[in-house]
Amino acid sequence: KAGVTQTPRYLIKTRGQQVTLSCSPISGHRSVSWYQQTPGQGLQFLFEYFSETQRNKGNFPGRFSGRQFSNSRSEMNVSTLELGDSALYLCASRRDTGGAYEQYFGPGTRLTVT
Amino acid sequence: DAKTTQPTSMDCAEGRAANLPCNHSTISGNEYVYWYRQIHSQGPQYIIHGLKNNETNEMASLIITEDRKSSTLILPHATLRDTAVYYCIVTAGKSTFGDGTTLTVKP
Repeated sequence: KAGVTQTPRYLIKTRGQQVTLSCSPISGHRSVSWYQQTPGQGLQFLFEYFSETQRNKGNFPGRFSGRQFSNSRSEMNVSTLELGDSALYLCASRRDTGGAYEQYFGPGTRLTVT
Repeated sequence: DAKTTQPTSMDCAEGRAANLPCNHSTISGNEYVYWYRQIHSQGPQYIIHGLKNNETNEMASLIITEDRKSSTLILPHATLRDTAVYYCIVTAGKSTFGDGTTLTVKP
């Protein structure tokens, strides 16, 4: 079974620009979560989507947004990029059935803001 | 989600069992204990999870105390490739990752 895929894998953007990252979950998984990982802050939860609806949200500014499509694929968008947004952005999917919440992570998108 | 406490780092000799502890004293009845690991610059990898009973799979064993306030992940025969950051999280949905334990397996 194919794993979680994320595109692009690497991205370089300039301050003030916006960026869109894409995540395709494992087939049959309906929940997609996004995380930001930086050396200083560790792995931080951004938001979770389930059946095209945002179900949970972390403590990030409104510049960070996301959406989920009917095929469970998800995108996250960061507007007005800041230098501090440089990070590894990880997407994770899970089935979300029967009380089990194990997540399967993609390889991440490495975003560098200059 | 309940907060977890893990040692910052641990060493283990190759071939020996690695026992990684996790404290989750505020765990509630419907929260599961999950373990993940992250090898440098890769996405975290799911290892194992449990609710009350001890669990074992092809990667590891999970021992949960009877009061569920702590758990131990056991890698029975650690190899150099098990060197990674290991995260213990307690959740009933939204996952909050702490700083984890950096396990270094030494030859």
